[in-house]
Amino acid sequence: DAGITQSPRYKITETGRQVTLMCHQTWSHSYMFWYRQDLGHGLRLIYYSAAADITDKGEVPDGYVVSRSKTENFPLTLESATRSQTSVYFCASSDGTGVSYGYTFGSGTRLTVV
Amino acid sequence: QKEVEQNSGPLSVPEGAIASLNCTYSDRGSQSFFWYRQYSGKSPELIMSIYSNGDKEDGRFTAQLNKASQYVSLLIRDSQPSDSATYLCAAPRGGSQGNLIFGKGTKLSVKP
Repeated sequence: DAGITQSPRYKITETGRQVTLMCHQTWSHSYMFWYRQDLGHGLRLIYYSAAADITDKGEVPDGYVVSRSKTENFPLTLESATRSQTSVYFCASSDGTGVSYGYTFGSGTRLTVV
Repeated sequence: QKEVEQNSGPLSVPEGAIASLNCTYSDRGSQSFFWYRQYSGKSPELIMSIYSNGDKEDGRFTAQLNKASQYVSLLIRDSQPSDSATYLCAAPRGGSQGNLIFGKGTKLSVKP
């Protein structure tokens, strides 16, 4: 299917466990992003990537790891989940060219850490 | 710290009225601005972008940009109950990396 897909849609995990959220896009967009959305904070950037093998930290990177070995995939790993990482996670992509870019978001992953 | 500020609302308007959503930003170097709509439990969806001072119209939506005042607005004419959602304003964080800062959003409720 064309577009940007996230998996899983819902995840419950225990404190201290490692969990990976998946993101896949079919447009060959160069830029990909991970945001978390929390009440009172809005959307906050965790990590982003300008191309395969190029990643950089956003506003709230602590406790998260990303990789991008292929243009179409951008997984987000919580190395040791904490309750404060309970959130809705959105992946987005953009071709990032000039000033005409805009993001397309995936459907999100609702993560609960218990 | 570059910021994008929005009134959190909720903003309540009657069906058929004009809804006016406002956003201010701190980075004078920002060149492009985006409005996203987010229905409850869904992901944000891009509805408007604007790059030049003045107005940009797309159907019932008009985006307005005033760079001197660092102010962006979104007008929704003939508001419908289906417009009830949270509207997010976004601006580039800087540079050419396509990295957007989002406001916290304004919740709009259109009453039938």
